[in-house]
Amino acid sequence: GAGVSQSPRYKVAKRGQDVALRCDPISGHVSLFWYQQALGQGPEFLTYFQNEAQLDKSGLPSDRFFAERPEGSVSTLKIQRTQQEDSAVYLCASSPNVPTGEQYFGPGTRLTVT
Amino acid sequence: AQRVTQPEKLLSVFKGAPVELKCNYSYSGSPELFWYVQYSRQRLQLLLRHISRESIKGFTADLNKGETSFHLKKPFAQEEDSAMYYCALRPRGGYSTLTFGKGTMLLVSP
Repeated sequence: GAGVSQSPRYKVAKRGQDVALRCDPISGHVSLFWYQQALGQGPEFLTYFQNEAQLDKSGLPSDRFFAERPEGSVSTLKIQRTQQEDSAVYLCASSPNVPTGEQYFGPGTRLTVT
Repeated sequence: AQRVTQPEKLLSVFKGAPVELKCNYSYSGSPELFWYVQYSRQRLQLLLRHISRESIKGFTADLNKGETSFHLKKPFAQEEDSAMYYCALRPRGGYSTLTFGKGTMLLVSP
């Protein structure tokens, strides 16, 4: 079946613009994670959803970052007033169960803020 | 807080040579350790986890709690092993968020 998909794959934003990044998890997966991967770094945790509930947002770097998963399926990561330091690959992962499920990663969205 | 350290950014070997990708971790509780791999133009995928004690594509990794290490090993490297490798940690229990190292690029030359 289809894996985790993310859109857009590439996004260029001017500093100060708002962006929205979409994640379609594997159907039926309960858990959904967002990670930020800066150049030359490993992925860093941003936030976690169990169904529609956002159980952990401790990794969001500022209040400009907001994530939602209103119906427990598709998730959107929104970044307001983008800054250059927001340039990174944003990865989404889903997992069928908690807490031992394997995470399946999407291809990522590469965000470049100019 | 937990931390994962991969001391080598790049490891370059010849085909057929042994490979060891180093991973050290810091965590006060009981961890689960993983190796993820990202081949060129592909997405991040799980290679192996310590609780499975299995060999995948000829790779093995043993959790050494005394040395807090989880090094990835393969006796004879193949060109198709060239990829980015990430070591990751997850606390046992709770939800499954991962803490990743910075990654090691493995290049296997013919």
